[in-house]
Amino acid sequence: DTEVTQTPKHLVMGMTNKKSLKCEQHMGHRAMYWYKQKAKKPPELMFVYSYEKLSINESVPSRFSPECPNSSLLNLHLHALQPEDSALYLCASSLDRPQRDTIYFGEGSWLTVV
Amino acid sequence: QKEVEQNSGPLSVPEGAIASLNCTYSDRGSQSFFWYRQYSGKSPELIMFIYSNGDKEDGRFTAQLNKASQYVSLLIRDSQPSDSATYLCAVKATGGKLIFGQGTTLQVKP
Repeated sequence: DTEVTQTPKHLVMGMTNKKSLKCEQHMGHRAMYWYKQKAKKPPELMFVYSYEKLSINESVPSRFSPECPNSSLLNLHLHALQPEDSALYLCASSLDRPQRDTIYFGEGSWLTVV
Repeated sequence: QKEVEQNSGPLSVPEGAIASLNCTYSDRGSQSFFWYRQYSGKSPELIMFIYSNGDKEDGRFTAQLNKASQYVSLLIRDSQPSDSATYLCAVKATGGKLIFGQGTTLQVKP
């Protein structure tokens, strides 16, 4: 079973709202990722958590705040977003082996900022 | 030079033909290589991964890796219209980041 579950699938929020995206996996994976994907572009890495600690932050604006409550859960808290932040937000997970590590994506959350 | 390069296409092949998708990468220390398929409006789906030089076959898909040339490819045999999608090459570089190419759009014409 290689399932990464993301909720909600679609989210519309105003620029003053606070919302959260959620991600869950039960594969025993120790690394979890947030990616952002705009139309006709490849996914762009935002954050990586390894063993529940933030290991990579790709200079993401502070209006995006990740949280990893435990090894199975990953949240992305959203506040004061801009319309250009509208995109597909993808969560992914992997075993976090140093070399041979396969990354699996969830179905994504479509975010529209109005 | 981009870290992972793919021809954006579109690559158009007739149904039943072999589709050949190519990717080059710049980090010689990369150890893990992946092909994801992405249908319009959907998330990337892992279809192949390869770690060692040579070929790896899974059904109609064959991934080929040549580390000396820093080249990885994906062959799709007996292409079907349902294979029409964007194929993303991804490389796990030193430091652990998964870096994507721009993707190649494949069109399989009935």
